[in-house]
Amino acid sequence: AQSVTQPDIHITVSEGASLELRCNYSYGATPYLFWYVQSPGQGLQLLLKYFSGDTLVQGIKGFEAEFKRSQSSFNLRKPSVHWSDAAEYFCAVSFSGGYQKVTFGTGTKLQVIP
Amino acid sequence: GAVVSQHPSRVICKSGTSVKIECRSLDFQATTMFWYRQFPKQSLMLMATSNEGSKATYEQGVEKDKFLINHASLTLSTLTVTSAHPEDSSFYICSASEGGSPLHFGNGTRLTVT
Repeated sequence: AQSVTQPDIHITVSEGASLELRCNYSYGATPYLFWYVQSPGQGLQLLLKYFSGDTLVQGIKGFEAEFKRSQSSFNLRKPSVHWSDAAEYFCAVSFSGGYQKVTFGTGTKLQVIP
Repeated sequence: GAVVSQHPSRVICKSGTSVKIECRSLDFQATTMFWYRQFPKQSLMLMATSNEGSKATYEQGVEKDKFLINHASLTLSTLTVTSAHPEDSSFYICSASEGGSPLHFGNGTRLTVT
């Protein structure tokens, strides 16, 4: 079955520390992969996407993600977290191609401590 | 950048009444709009996909007679929750796409049914 999993429900990091949020998917081929961020009570903003090509993709706000086919993963990283990065992060997958119909993971809530 | 306006941001209604939520694309024509529902501390669940001028396509398990979607123009889609009940209380989010472009999300509507 097609699915996307975010194993970590909640992560706490210190400001300035590095961050890695995990995302795994289950699919017979390579899907389109996305990371979105949601601030409390807000909609979602696209951080980055992977369709094909270079497996390390750069996004906005200093985020990057690496696609690893062998691990069916698309982990999100940031070298130095800022307090304003505290939010909910969703990995999303399009099994039908394109931006359109995406399936969202359960989300990881990031808390940043001083 | 592309902006999607969702209104109202919060609404409280009594059980048995209907409530309408609007989703507008302010500076682009949205050929496709999506409606999602998000329960507390959970991910977004796609409810339906609407294309301008045609009937919405509902996801499995979503009652189309309860959640009426209208996409009468390229800039406006509406979701009407009919005969609302407390279990319909949730956070509803729309997203819009112009011809397969990246999804742009509204800021969501918090519906509380008393």
